[in-house]
Amino acid sequence: EDQVTQSPEALRLQEGESSSLNCSYTVSGLRGLFWYRQDPGKGPEFLFTLYSAGEEKEKERLKATLTKKESFLHITAPKPEDSATYLCAVLNTGANSKLTFGKGITLSVRP
Amino acid sequence: EAQVTQNPRYLITVTGKKLTVTCSQNMNHEYMSWYRQDPGLGLRQIYYSMNVEVTDKGDVPEGYKVSRKEKRNFPLILESPSPNQTSLYFCASTRQAGIYEQYFGPGTRLTVT
Repeated sequence: EDQVTQSPEALRLQEGESSSLNCSYTVSGLRGLFWYRQDPGKGPEFLFTLYSAGEEKEKERLKATLTKKESFLHITAPKPEDSATYLCAVLNTGANSKLTFGKGITLSVRP
Repeated sequence: EAQVTQNPRYLITVTGKKLTVTCSQNMNHEYMSWYRQDPGLGLRQIYYSMNVEVTDKGDVPEGYKVSRKEKRNFPLILESPSPNQTSLYFCASTRQAGIYEQYFGPGTRLTVT
């Protein structure tokens, strides 16, 4: 059974204080790892897909990296508008495109 | 605008009263899916559909039904809702089954009393 564990559960940062969010996973065969952002009362919004170990992707202050066991979402000089819940999900090589999600990391950035 | 829409956004109902939550996408996506999100449990898949007339169970299908008669619509049916189905529901779609990002609707918050 695929499993995704995200840590920490919650993270409070000061504006400008860089940090990393962790996503550890076990999957029978990894087809891809996804990062989503979810704002309160809204649906998850796609951020990145990573396909293989060593891959990195960037978008504004966010950078996602992938190893064979975990992924990190690095946030550089965060702003209050980066406050949200960040979800990690894996897609295995099975026929169903089911995403297995972690429980999410709630990030709060104080001005 | 490319989007996934759900209706209603909020619903309070009583045990046993049949209800339907609609989901529609305007991106001509083949694959659609329903998830529920509960505190401490994260997002879990209820049902999915690879294409029209093709549906299958996800991880938590008990108490739910779906249908896919048209490509754009994928309604979620609760024939006899129970309080343990109180949750936040999301519909999602993607181009086709495989390594494509899934687009999520805005969510339906359901309360069953």
